[in-house]
Amino acid sequence: GDSVTQMEGPVTLSEEAFLTINCTYTATGYPSLFWYVQYPGEGLQLLLKATKADDKGSNKGFEATYRKETTSFHLEKGSVQVSDSAVYFCALTGSSNTGKLIFGQGTTLQVKP
Amino acid sequence: DTAVSQTPKYLVTQMGNDKSIKCEQNLGHDTMYWYKQDSKKFLKIMFSYNNKELIINETVPNRFSPKSPDKAHLNLHINSLELGDSAVYFCATGTGESPLHFGNGTRLTVT
Repeated sequence: GDSVTQMEGPVTLSEEAFLTINCTYTATGYPSLFWYVQYPGEGLQLLLKATKADDKGSNKGFEATYRKETTSFHLEKGSVQVSDSAVYFCALTGSSNTGKLIFGQGTTLQVKP
Repeated sequence: DTAVSQTPKYLVTQMGNDKSIKCEQNLGHDTMYWYKQDSKKFLKIMFSYNNKELIINETVPNRFSPKSPDKAHLNLHINSLELGDSAVYFCATGTGESPLHFGNGTRLTVT
């Protein structure tokens, strides 16, 4: 079945460091891919998405490119801030096309001043 | 105005009790979801409704019963609560392809 695998966390970085959070997927068909962010004590927020191969999603300095050949959707940011500390979830739409999202296990990012 | 609001935010109860969690949205989205997040942050869909019609019903015990009285509300009723039901439950809404807005969650603790 469809699945999403993210890199294990926590990821600890200093402010202004470069961020990469790896995400790979297994899916039948052509899913849409998403990154969500969950700040402490809050619900998830959609960060960015890409709906087809080679699309790049971007928002708030974060970006991710839909790579069909490597089945990946890695999240990157050039310079992280303390306020980026959160849990990041990679997800894809399931093959049933019913709006069901399949999530990765989440990666905790801690940014230190 | 909060786009997706859940009540209560915290719910502590004993095994065997019956409880409900309410969700309301003011976005006009057709689709509403319930997700469960376990202690390891793993998120899994439980149910989705589209225009009050049940679309997704994952392998959730039938002690869990969603109810959608109208497009703006999707409530979750849980009978005979068990320790393993302890988790954070998120309501979400979307326009069909994916959930776009999540509520802030209801932390359920069963003792």
